[in-house]
Amino acid sequence: GESVGLHLPTLSVQEGDNSIINCAYSNSASDYFIWYKQESGKGPQFIIDIRSNMDKRQGQRVTVLLNKTVKHLSLQIAATQPGDSAVYFCAETLMDSSYKLIFGSGTRLLVRP
Amino acid sequence: DTAVSQTPKYLVTQMGNDKSIKCEQNLGHDTMYWYKQDSKKFLKIMFSYNNKELIINETVPNRFSPKSPDKAHLNLHINSLELGDSAVYFCASSHFGSVSYNEQFFGPGTRLTVL
Repeated sequence: GESVGLHLPTLSVQEGDNSIINCAYSNSASDYFIWYKQESGKGPQFIIDIRSNMDKRQGQRVTVLLNKTVKHLSLQIAATQPGDSAVYFCAETLMDSSYKLIFGSGTRLLVRP
Repeated sequence: DTAVSQTPKYLVTQMGNDKSIKCEQNLGHDTMYWYKQDSKKFLKIMFSYNNKELIINETVPNRFSPKSPDKAHLNLHINSLELGDSAVYFCASSHFGSVSYNEQFFGPGTRLTVL
């Protein structure tokens, strides 16, 4: 079985509640940010992105907030469902020619039925 | 339909061996990546190829050598495997400079265990 990720920060929420996952990014020059979801045994999956000229972007049940002043990103998930249980990563990059993503350390979201 | 596929899914081998992991994407992307995810789930870029040319080469031991025979394939060869190479390796692909800026599609991962 998988024994990785035991030391990940964990957020436990009741099904139906809203979840907020936070991320501090490292480079004040980063101008593009992405949230990924990684389910057990799978690769990361794109959820939502935001450019640095915005401070909020909404998707289906998800909202990303960007605060450049304090280099902080958050992912809000409305009406959290059991299928939302996963590890969530934020990633930052610069819109230059390298397209190199720098990933944050991840947060495990556990949804209690 | 599988978008980004990797083989093998699991690889268990002895220290000192040489092994390869293969990656293929059928998305028509022109940029492919290799990432390493350690036991703490930390995900780090290793290499990136755009149109078969190396564009990102992070501080990775030269025992690791990526090879891109064409735009749809990016393989990773590892020589003289060490215990610390044990990790999950993810391949990803994207369009270079796409409108959905850098949406990278990840493969399912290859769990490498070095004994």
